Amino acid sequence: GQQVMQIPQYQHVQEGEDFTTYCNSSTTLSNIQWYKQRPGGHPVFLIQLVKSGEVKKQKRLTFQFGEAKKNSSLHITATQTTDVGTYFCAGRWGDYKLSFGAGTTVTVRA
Amino acid sequence: ETGVTQTPRHLVMGMTNKKSLKCEQHLGHNAMYWYKQSAKKPLELMFVYNFKEQTENNSVPSRFSPECPNSSHLFLHLHTLQPEDSALYLCASSQQDWTWPLSGNTIYFGEGSWLTVV
Repeated sequence: GQQVMQIPQYQHVQEGEDFTTYCNSSTTLSNIQWYKQRPGGHPVFLIQLVKSGEVKKQKRLTFQFGEAKKNSSLHITATQTTDVGTYFCAGRWGDYKLSFGAGTTVTVRA
Repeated sequence: ETGVTQTPRHLVMGMTNKKSLKCEQHLGHNAMYWYKQSAKKPLELMFVYNFKEQTENNSVPSRFSPECPNSSHLFLHLHTLQPEDSALYLCASSQQDWTWPLSGNTIYFGEGSWLTVV
């Protein structure tokens, strides 16, 4: 079945620094969603990207959808301890089911 | 409060036991899902229900038996499980299932039921 690959699997960040996590598909996506799961918690929807080249911002989080709609990224600026957790992308191809990536687990050094 | 409530939050069961997980959504959604989340694995879709009808069974072993009496309630009946079935079981709902062409079909997850099989 269709899959999205997320890199890196783990991201250790110094508080205040920026980092980016990537989500890649070998074929064109119809849309992509991003979720965040805090330690011990459940996934929570962050955003959906639909259009080629789309960029959306949520405070310190910037989400991008590639021009070819095969990749997406999440960039966090000035990382805070509240950013700790696992970030999942979930891709959809046509009318097919949403397929979740393995996630990027973020830890923050104070 | 997520709008999707799961009980119990924690369950320990023996391999010969029969137990059930319950999920209730208060969002007026029409689609409900069961996902399994194990350590070091992506979220795995198990079952999808749309308007109470099962639309997806993702090759799940028969020791997991779902039940959807109405659009607001979803159960996962468990029997003769194996230790490798120990995981976080997440219920979720959305306005429609993914056969619906509407692009803004967000999935809302419950807090999950932590299952340990001993």
